[in-house]
Amino acid sequence: KQEVTQIPAALSVPEGENLVLNCSFTDSAIYNLQWFRQDPGKGLTSLLLIQSSQREQTSGRLNASLDKSSGRSTLYIAASQPGDSATYLCAVKNPQLTQAGSYQLTFGKGTKLSVIP
Amino acid sequence: DAGITQSPRHKVTETGTPVTLRCHQTENHRYMYWYRQDPGHGLRLIHYSYGVKDTDKGEVSDGYSVSRSKTEDFLLTLESATSSQTSVYFCAISESGLAGGPLYEQYFGPGTRLTVT
Repeated sequence: KQEVTQIPAALSVPEGENLVLNCSFTDSAIYNLQWFRQDPGKGLTSLLLIQSSQREQTSGRLNASLDKSSGRSTLYIAASQPGDSATYLCAVKNPQLTQAGSYQLTFGKGTKLSVIP
Repeated sequence: DAGITQSPRHKVTETGTPVTLRCHQTENHRYMYWYRQDPGHGLRLIHYSYGVKDTDKGEVSDGYSVSRSKTEDFLLTLESATSSQTSVYFCAISESGLAGGPLYEQYFGPGTRLTVT
């Protein structure tokens, strides 16, 4: 059974600092990995999706990398801002088909990021 | 933002009462999902739908049923609510449940906070 771990569970950094969030998964045979942002009391916003054949994806100040063989992904945030404060979740799409012929996501528990002004 | 709404946004109910949560989408996506989010567990899939009247169970489906009579609506029913079902419930949609690129990203609604007393 796929397990996704995010360490640390919480992180506090001063504004302007570059930072890295970590995601690891136990079954390397994934199809893709998705990073989400969740603000308090809100739903999840998709940030980046990396296909299993890709090594990284970039969007603005965010860069996500994927190393399938080692079962790891990182989300790099450059020049952090107070508005980046949120919980960041990673999720992997697993290779096991469900009865209906679909592939499902397994989520990590998230890293709560606080960027201090 | 993807056009996904959930109703109600907050609900308090008593043990043993039936509860129905609604997810409505305006994106005409084929796949719809219900997740629950609990501290220490992350997001877990309850049920999902791969078309009108087509549904399948997820990881934590016991005590829940779903229905989808129209493309845009996916209902989650707790037949007899229990305190263990106190949680935040999220609906998500995707164009496809299969592995692939941006078409297969999941987009999330704002969530429903359910408290069972």
